[in-house]
Amino acid sequence: SQTIHQWPATLVQPVGSPLSLECTVEGTSNPNLYWYRQAAGRGLQLLFYSVGIGQISSEVPQNLSASRPQDRQFILSSKKLLLSDSGFYLCAWSVRSYGYTFGSGTRLTVV
Amino acid sequence: DAKTTQPTSMDCAEGRAANLPCNHSTISGNEYVYWYRQIHSQGPQYIIHGLKNNETNEMASLIITEDRKSSTLILPHATLRDTAVYYCISRRESNFGNEKLTFGTGTRLTIIP
Repeated sequence: SQTIHQWPATLVQPVGSPLSLECTVEGTSNPNLYWYRQAAGRGLQLLFYSVGIGQISSEVPQNLSASRPQDRQFILSSKKLLLSDSGFYLCAWSVRSYGYTFGSGTRLTVV
Repeated sequence: DAKTTQPTSMDCAEGRAANLPCNHSTISGNEYVYWYRQIHSQGPQYIIHGLKNNETNEMASLIITEDRKSSTLILPHATLRDTAVYYCISRRESNFGNEKLTFGTGTRLTIIP
C-alpha cells in the first residue's frame, strides 16, 4: 500500500536560519508531488508541485524553494527563514486520476 | 478549474445526516467535483468525488445536480469525529500529470452532541 512520510512533525526555528523539510512516498512510482502551506486559521495554499525528478513548478513567489532529487522524495527548503514562513506545511502525492494523499504535516514556527 | 462556493460554517446534531452544499456554477463538462475534509492539525483526507452521477462510498454520498452547477455532500449519520473543515473542489482531469488541487476556505462543520 502507498504511504507518505513527512518529518519533523513540529519545528521551531529562528529568523534567518535555514530550513529543510523532507517528504517521501512509498508504494507508488512516478507520483505527482505537492507542497502546501496553511497559515493559522487560513486555507491551504499550493506552494510547489512536481511531475517528475528535477521538475518543479512554483505557484507563488516566496522565500522557499523545492527540489525532487529522487522519484519519491520531495524537499522544501529555505536559506533564511522569515517570520511569515510560519505555518503548517503539508506534502501530498497523487497518481493520475486519483485523489491526493496528504502527509501528517509539519508545524513550523519561526521565532 | 471552476471556482466553488461553500457556506463558512454549519452545525449538525450527532446522529443526524449532515448535508454540505457546494456551488460550482461555472464548472465545465470535464471537471470533477472532489470533497476533502481536514480535521484540526491533520492533513486533508479524501472523501469522495464524482463527475455527473451520484456517488456513494463508505464515508459519504455525493449528490450532483443534473445541470452540475451544485452538489451536496451527505454524511448519513454524523458523529463527533466528523467535526472538521470540508472542502469542495472542482478539478479538470488531465493526461499531462499537472493535476493541481486548489483549496478554498471550506465549510467548518461542527457536530453537536
